[in-house]
Amino acid sequence: DAKTTQPPSMDCAEGRAANLPCNHSTISGNEYVYWYRQIHSQGPQYIIHGLKNNETNEMASLIITEDRKSSTLILPHATLRDTAVYYCIVKSSSNTGKLIFGQGTTLQVK
Amino acid sequence: DTEVTQTPKHLVMGMTNKKSLKCEQHMGHRAMYWYKQKAKKPPELMFVYSYEKLSINESVPSRFSPECPNSSLLNLHLHALQPEDSALYLCASSQEPGASNQPQHFGDGTRLSIL
Repeated sequence: DAKTTQPPSMDCAEGRAANLPCNHSTISGNEYVYWYRQIHSQGPQYIIHGLKNNETNEMASLIITEDRKSSTLILPHATLRDTAVYYCIVKSSSNTGKLIFGQGTTLQVK
Repeated sequence: DTEVTQTPKHLVMGMTNKKSLKCEQHMGHRAMYWYKQKAKKPPELMFVYSYEKLSINESVPSRFSPECPNSSLLNLHLHALQPEDSALYLCASSQEPGASNQPQHFGDGTRLSIL
């Protein structure tokens, strides 16, 4: 399973875009990049996932580099409610469905 | 709002007690998962059920006993737990077991305290 590296913490001003980076240099060709977030005292919330192309939904955008070795989650207009721990996960390509969480990035919106 | 419902939200039990955690989903998902999350740590996988059969046990001690009575329900039976088992226990489900392009959806967990 590919490992991910994220900065432990980031700050963002309310109303500005939050750009959360993730490195996954050992990702395999058929492994997806997933982003989840966990607000205090709640379960992880699915945000978005992608394979090669950039993806956008109502919550966020996911930008994956052409070599797939890194990605960026973009929250276009961060609010105080976006304060959370954000996890970037490369999902196992084996037939197990396992999610292996790293330490994540604590995003503080001020 | 979560479509995976876990009960109870909080549980305090002694080391000699027997209790069960319950998880329910009505999304027609065929894979269900138990995770354990210690304070200030990321979730760690415990068990995976695929089509109501146990497919992964991540070397979890036998004092934790999972059960999948039907495709919508997942239980975690607890017996003779230790204080270090105090944690947030999370349930998740996904549409098809092992499918890389399908997300897991989590409940809000049961916060367990062992006295």
